Amino acid sequence: AQSVTQLGSHVSVSEGALVLLRCNYSSSVPPYLFWYVQYPNQGLQLLLKYTSAATLVKGINGFEAEFKKSETSFHLTKPSAHMSDAAEYFCAASSNTGKLIFGQGTTLQVKP
Amino acid sequence: DGGITQSPKYLFRKEGQNVTLSCEQNLNHDAMYWYRQDPGQGLRLIYYSQIVNDFQKGDIAEGYSVSREKKESFPLTVTSAQKNPTAFYLCASSYKGETQYFGPGTRLLVL
Repeated sequence: AQSVTQLGSHVSVSEGALVLLRCNYSSSVPPYLFWYVQYPNQGLQLLLKYTSAATLVKGINGFEAEFKKSETSFHLTKPSAHMSDAAEYFCAASSNTGKLIFGQGTTLQVKP
Repeated sequence: DGGITQSPKYLFRKEGQNVTLSCEQNLNHDAMYWYRQDPGQGLRLIYYSQIVNDFQKGDIAEGYSVSREKKESFPLTVTSAQKNPTAFYLCASSYKGETQYFGPGTRLLVL
């Protein structure tokens, strides 16, 4: 069965530091992969998605993610964290029926 | 202005009561989804519908019911059989099973 694992339920960085949120997927066929961001008491907003066109995917708010088939990973990065990046981040993979399988989420804390 | 709307933002349920959460989209999307979000558990799929008048159970359908009479609307009823309904409920839609876009959510609380 397909699964998505996010390593680290909480990540804390200083403002201006590199952000790295880890995501690994389990699938025999590379799925479509997504990163979503959720601010408190709001819905999920799409940050970026991988659809096999390019392994390095650029998203909104300066985030990007790299698909590595050999590592079955799709880690999210941002060179310099901003206070407004504090939120919960979800990695997700789509099945061939269009259903999404979500990771458990990672809460990003940004310290001044 | 295209998007997904959910109402109400907060909903209170009494013991033994059925309540219905609204989800409407004007994106002309075929598929719609309902998720439940609990702290530390990510999102879990309750029901989904890929076409009008058809829907399928997700991973945690017990105690919930849905209907899809119109393409734009996918209401979720939380029945009295759902013994632990307190959660944040998210509706999403997609075009032909591609990228899912989410509504703002409804928080359900039990009195």
